[in-house]
Amino acid sequence: AQKVTQAQTEISVVEKEDVTLDCVYETRDTTYYLFWYKQPPSGELVFLIRRNSFDEQNEISGRYSWNFQKSTSSFNFTITASQVVDSAVYFCAQYSSASKIIFGSGTRLSIRP
Amino acid sequence: DAGVTQSPTHLIKTRGQQVTLRCSPKSGHDTVSWYQQALGQGPQFIFQYYEEEERQRGNFPDRFSGHQFPNYSSELNVNALLLGDSALFLCASSLANGDGYTFGSGTRLTVV
Repeated sequence: AQKVTQAQTEISVVEKEDVTLDCVYETRDTTYYLFWYKQPPSGELVFLIRRNSFDEQNEISGRYSWNFQKSTSSFNFTITASQVVDSAVYFCAQYSSASKIIFGSGTRLSIRP
Repeated sequence: DAGVTQSPTHLIKTRGQQVTLRCSPKSGHDTVSWYQQALGQGPQFIFQYYEEEERQRGNFPDRFSGHQFPNYSSELNVNALLLGDSALFLCASSLANGDGYTFGSGTRLTVV
């Protein structure tokens, strides 16, 4: 069965600190995709990244970076030099042949000025 | 190019009533999926429509039903509303193989 676990329910850091959001997934599929979404208070899901199961290369986009490790079934997300605008709920998610996205329970990130 | 559009944005209904939510997919997409996001939780998959038929279904009761029209737009119907149905309902469109998965801004349903 597919499952996504985000063990950190809430994280609060001071602005400019680095912060890592953890994500552990479970699947029996060999081909799958992993996602991170940001959900600000307005409610819409903002797509951040998609990785496929065959590409374990880490990715950096500005202050955001992602570390995908199949050996530990993890897909962690790091924000460097956090800003107040980064405050939101972040969801890790998984998609495979079942045609549906399975979301984790989310991590609420608060960045204090 | 418009993305996924959902209507209405907000809705208040009374327990026992029925509700219909609407979704227009992104141009070029032929598959529509619906999710329910209760407060403080991640979105939960309700069902997916492709070629006007329900292709996949999550663990939701039969009170939740849907429809897809020839123009690929979709409706989600919920009958006999319960207080616990209050949630943000998200629609996502994609190609049949899952490429381009895009979410709409959602419809916030409050059942009183």
